[in-house]
Amino acid sequence: QQPVQSPQAVILREGEDAVINCSSSKALYSVHWYRQKHGEAPVFLMILLKGGEQKGHDKISASFNEKKQQSSLYLTASQLSYSGTYFCGTATGTASKLTFGTGTRLQVTL
Amino acid sequence: GAVVSQHPSWVICKSGTSVKIECRSLDFQATTMFWYRQFPKQSLMLMATSNEGSKATYEQGVEKDKFLINHASLTLSTLTVTSAHPEDSSFYICSAPDRANEKLFFGSGTQLSVL
Repeated sequence: QQPVQSPQAVILREGEDAVINCSSSKALYSVHWYRQKHGEAPVFLMILLKGGEQKGHDKISASFNEKKQQSSLYLTASQLSYSGTYFCGTATGTASKLTFGTGTRLQVTL
Repeated sequence: GAVVSQHPSWVICKSGTSVKIECRSLDFQATTMFWYRQFPKQSLMLMATSNEGSKATYEQGVEKDKFLINHASLTLSTLTVTSAHPEDSSFYICSAPDRANEKLFFGSGTQLSVL
């Protein structure tokens, strides 16, 4: 079953923050986050392995609560370049076989 | 980082014809590659797992006789859409995992339009 993301869509003004959630019905080994722009392939943002860790670089970070089978992606001080559709990808084991979430369309405006 | 090359970027074909899409890992060996399909404004749906030297593993509901996968070498996997129909029109993307078998590298995708 596909992980559910919320919200489905969000519009931000440049500089505002956003949180995107990903919820799975299965026990997870890892959660991956990708951003995809229209007509392009997804671009890797980060991976979180089970252990309840939080990772981040620059103004994008994420957390993973394996007990709740949930992950959240945090975007702070958003930039125009952050616009796109964000997908979480979940794996129940290694070998990178990912099941992608329903997606969250994010638009950053001036 | 690792690069996955996918060709063609887009293809238009007539109904009933077959289309081959290539996916190459340029600077690393990939014993496994994944093929996804994405319809407009939807998520990526895994179609099949391509395994070098053995048969591909197809996800439930994906017709293996229609979507032929060949993984003849450690750097090349191909997806052939046979007897394509308009409902096969979609964005097809391949991916390969890194050496740690965790992170996925994606090809640039192929937009298939069947008339």
